[in-house]
Amino acid sequence: DQQVKQNSPSLSVQEGRISILNCDYTNSMFDYFLWYKKYPAEGPTFLISISSIKDKNEDGRFTVFLNKSAKHLSLHIVPSQPGDSAVYFCAASATGKLIFGQGTTLQVKP
Amino acid sequence: DAEITQSPRHKITETGRQVTLACHQTWNHNNMFWYRQDLGHGLRLIHYSYGVQDTNKGEVSDGYSVSRSNTEDLPLTLESAASSQTSVYFCASSEGGELFFGEGSRLTVL
Repeated sequence: DQQVKQNSPSLSVQEGRISILNCDYTNSMFDYFLWYKKYPAEGPTFLISISSIKDKNEDGRFTVFLNKSAKHLSLHIVPSQPGDSAVYFCAASATGKLIFGQGTTLQVKP
Repeated sequence: DAEITQSPRHKITETGRQVTLACHQTWNHNNMFWYRQDLGHGLRLIHYSYGVQDTNKGEVSDGYSVSRSNTEDLPLTLESAASSQTSVYFCASSEGGELFFGEGSRLTVL
């Protein structure tokens, strides 16, 4: 049973536009959520996180929104840049270990 | 700079062989994790450890084992490699927040 789901395998946006990546979860015990970015042949790198006591966290061009009632989080990238092209994983934690979604491949076209 | 390193980066082996993937971190983190990445499945947790002599099974632990004899290392052993274990393996460490990942070990089982 997939506790963390990213239902869109891929997303393509134009440079300068907004990218919105979505993630749904089923376990209400999750209290910490993170987004990771992964380039080919590299390990995932941390991007941004949010605690379950917040509904928004912003870091430069990246904003994560959390809707606990819907068990949904999203990552907004504004403006999108070609260097943002990568696989994005959302992850959720309840006891210190992270459960990851399947990933969404973002392509930002120049 | 503190880091986490995996070896080997690439390995080809035959069905039935025993394989060990090494993971070494210099952050002095108590928590260490092994994930595998497969298309359509994202990152799935294999085993994890919260400290020396502590090991726990993750989502996909069958056919894998780990041991934690010191803080720095968490080797992953495939007792009898199977073709279904062809994957990219990532080691990670943390102190309870974000995970820091290694660059990955690509394993091919023929």
